[in-house]
Amino acid sequence: GAGVSQSPSNKVTEKGKDVELRCDPISGHTALYWYRQSLGQGLEFLIYFQGNSAPDKSGLPSDRFSAERTGGSVSTLTIQRTQQEDSAVYLCASSQPGGTEKLFFGSGTQLSVL
Amino acid sequence: GENVEQHPSTLSVQEGDSAVIKCTYSDSASNYFPWYKQELGKRPQLIIDIRSNVGEKKDQRIAVTLNKTAKHFSLHITETQPEDSAVYFCAASDAGTYKYIFGTGTRLKVLA
Repeated sequence: GAGVSQSPSNKVTEKGKDVELRCDPISGHTALYWYRQSLGQGLEFLIYFQGNSAPDKSGLPSDRFSAERTGGSVSTLTIQRTQQEDSAVYLCASSQPGGTEKLFFGSGTQLSVL
Repeated sequence: GENVEQHPSTLSVQEGDSAVIKCTYSDSASNYFPWYKQELGKRPQLIIDIRSNVGEKKDQRIAVTLNKTAKHFSLHITETQPEDSAVYFCAASDAGTYKYIFGTGTRLKVLA
């Protein structure tokens, strides 16, 4: 593929609803990351997948957040019972394995919780 | 876990002047330090990186220096141009956790 693809690009939802954000990484990239970027803020680590290893979920802010990666490729980030403070841009990135490789970011999903 | 601090949060320089952004990290196991540039409304992109076995790396007008003893690293941009205006993020990663932790970002404005 041309790059990391994320969908939807924008999502507006009502407080209390569940949302699913999708990330399609670059083919062959075994490492996949989710970050959250609140308005004017930095990149907050959420979760990391590497191949078939157990994901590093240490950055998930609450149990309302979960993510899965099926078949080592596409990943879905799910936020249950959304709150207004969940409003942010959710960025996905992928890379070759190793922890010293260039991250390729998607264009993000702008989530707005009303 | 790793913690990365970045300063300043905003920086304004005149076109042609130099800009310096500094980061500190907490985990001595970190061995890879990339810098990402995010232009307004766009995704972050890698501009330069440095590994822990190197003290300095340069690529045209940008350079990065690393002081492992003090656990800090810096981005230097010389002869700044308006197109350098963006948010710059530093990050630290170690080969064990593979987790990239980012700084809070520096908004650089180059004034024409």
